[in-house]
Amino acid sequence: GAGVSQSPSNKVTEKGKDVELRCDPISGHTALYWYRQSLGQGLEFLIYFQGNSAPDKSGLPSDRFSAERTGGSVSTLTIQRTQQEDSAVYLCASSEWSRAYNEQFFGPGTRLTVL
Amino acid sequence: SQQGEEDPQALSIQEGENATMNCSYKTSINNLQWYRQNSGRGLVHLILIRSNEREKHSGRLRVTLDTSKKSSSLLITASRAADTASYFCSQGGSEKLVFGKGTKLTVNP
Repeated sequence: GAGVSQSPSNKVTEKGKDVELRCDPISGHTALYWYRQSLGQGLEFLIYFQGNSAPDKSGLPSDRFSAERTGGSVSTLTIQRTQQEDSAVYLCASSEWSRAYNEQFFGPGTRLTVL
Repeated sequence: SQQGEEDPQALSIQEGENATMNCSYKTSINNLQWYRQNSGRGLVHLILIRSNEREKHSGRLRVTLDTSKKSSSLLITASRAADTASYFCSQGGSEKLVFGKGTKLTVNP
């Protein structure tokens, strides 16, 4: 596609429920990132996929968070047993992998609200 | 991590004035990038400056880089109300970029 897309754009869920957030990166981009941004805060790195390498999960805040990337393209971020503190905007970005130049292209985000 | 730290955290100016934001980093870089975020949604890439460059211009944007001080500045000249946004810097040179908390710029009409 023309850009990074994310779905849904908004998600309201009840505490304790599981949610899945989807990211479609730009075609051909080998690197994919998930970030979280709480209200008025900066971006918090969650997880990074690069090609077929093992993902960098160092930013995941707890074992309730997981992500996968199927076929090197679409990625799904899953949050199990959601808590109110999980409420945030979840941003996905993709980039061409290059040590010299790795501008990230961001999707519009998914706003998650946990009641 | 390749995290940049922006300064100040918030900046409020009048339309037509110049806005200067600073970024400091800790490790060696290949390049440094500035992004803008409107309305708490996705970031938009503004400009990239490579480690062997000292200054770069793009429209009303001017970026400087001082590798000896591990710092960069973003100058927006003749600011407009539409420039109201949060601005983030991030280092390039490793497999991933991470961002600081940004500078929230408000341009008052």
